[in-house]
Amino acid sequence: GAGVSQSPRYKVAKRGQDVALRCDPISGHVSLFWYQQALGQGPEFLTYFQNEAQLDKSGLPSDRFFAERPEGSVSTLKIQRTQQEDSAVYLCASSWAGTGGYGYTFGSGTRLTVV
Amino acid sequence: ILNVEQSPQSLHVQEGDSTNFTCSFPSSNFYALHWYRWETAKSPEALFVMTLNGDEKKKGRISATLNTKEGYSYLYIKGSQPEDSATYLCAFVIYSGGYQKVTFGTGTKLQVIP
Repeated sequence: GAGVSQSPRYKVAKRGQDVALRCDPISGHVSLFWYQQALGQGPEFLTYFQNEAQLDKSGLPSDRFFAERPEGSVSTLKIQRTQQEDSAVYLCASSWAGTGGYGYTFGSGTRLTVV
Repeated sequence: ILNVEQSPQSLHVQEGDSTNFTCSFPSSNFYALHWYRWETAKSPEALFVMTLNGDEKKKGRISATLNTKEGYSYLYIKGSQPEDSATYLCAFVIYSGGYQKVTFGTGTKLQVIP
């Protein structure tokens, strides 16, 4: 597609529910990042994929968070047993290998609200 | 944890005013500095990718400068328009472990009053 697509756009989950957030990057983009943005904060790094390999997951806040990109294209961020502190906007970004001179292309984000 | 700070946190200006804001970052291990504009309900959009000390980039009424030795970048908007209202994010990039690692600032929220 022309841009990075994320779904759903909005998600309301009851505390304890599992959620799955999808990111469909630009075709051919090797690098894929997930970020979490809490209210009033800048985006914070969660995890990075190069093709299907998850090279860095140091930003995942707990073992309830899990991300995959099995075929090197679409990625899913899964949050198990959601807690209120998980409420945030989850952004996905992709780029060619590294960022070159182009920066990242972001999706519109998924706003997760845990009630 | 890398400290990337943006100031001011928010800003209200009148249409036609010029404005600028700052991104401060560590002066070591610099690889690149990005600026993004993030309008409400839209995706962050890359404005500039800056890699060299002394870089100056311009896109229309928006320009940016970079000083890697002292660890800051300025973003300038000349003759602000209501459509410039957005949050402006900077992102500091280092190269580590074979790939680029990015730390975002908290953003400067600009509102241009008609």
